[in-house]
Amino acid sequence: GQNIDQPTEMTATEGAIVQINCTYQTSGFNGLFWYQQHAGEAPTFLSYNVLDGLEEKGRFSSFLSRSKGYSYLLLKELQMKDSASYLCAVRSGGSYIPTFGRGTSLIVHP
Amino acid sequence: DTGVSQDPRHKITKRGQNVTFRCDPISEHNRLYWYRQTLGQGPEFLTYFQNEAQLEKSRLLSDRFSAERPKGSFSTLEIQRTEQGDSAMYLCASSEAMNTEAFFGQGTRLTVV
Repeated sequence: GQNIDQPTEMTATEGAIVQINCTYQTSGFNGLFWYQQHAGEAPTFLSYNVLDGLEEKGRFSSFLSRSKGYSYLLLKELQMKDSASYLCAVRSGGSYIPTFGRGTSLIVHP
Repeated sequence: DTGVSQDPRHKITKRGQNVTFRCDPISEHNRLYWYRQTLGQGPEFLTYFQNEAQLEKSRLLSDRFSAERPKGSFSTLEIQRTEQGDSAMYLCASSEAMNTEAFFGQGTRLTVV
């Protein structure tokens, strides 16, 4: 099976930078996703990492270290609308099915 | 294409009744997933299809649950003899291929009373 761990909740200030960590234990790793989910809405895709290193996409960046089973999502210039749950999902094995962590609820305050 | 579409958005049913949900994936997406999500949790995998073939089912999917994708396009998820523990958001997602990201529908929120 898989074990995916994320902090339950984080708070940050508008305009600041926040880093959301995700650690995982799995066999046959073949990709890690980050999704954003606002309350009552569907998860929306943010980023994908399969190789070690940093992927940057606007205000959002995602980092992966496969040897450490570790990823983080970095959000810069935080805005109030960034208040949401951030889901880390790991894909592994031959079926390529994403397995999700519990999500990190981010609260951005003025 | 308007993305993944799910119907209905909300369903309230009495315990013991059967319910059926529909998912229309993004056209030409071969893979279709069903997940279940409860408050404060991430989506839990239920089952997935590659075209019309159901290739994997989670042990969460009891024999009261059945899913179909008869023509490799839309999919249905049926829950028979619903229980209060079935109350959750049922999410459908599709992806173009096995190694691409999945796109989610808005979900069907089921409440069993």
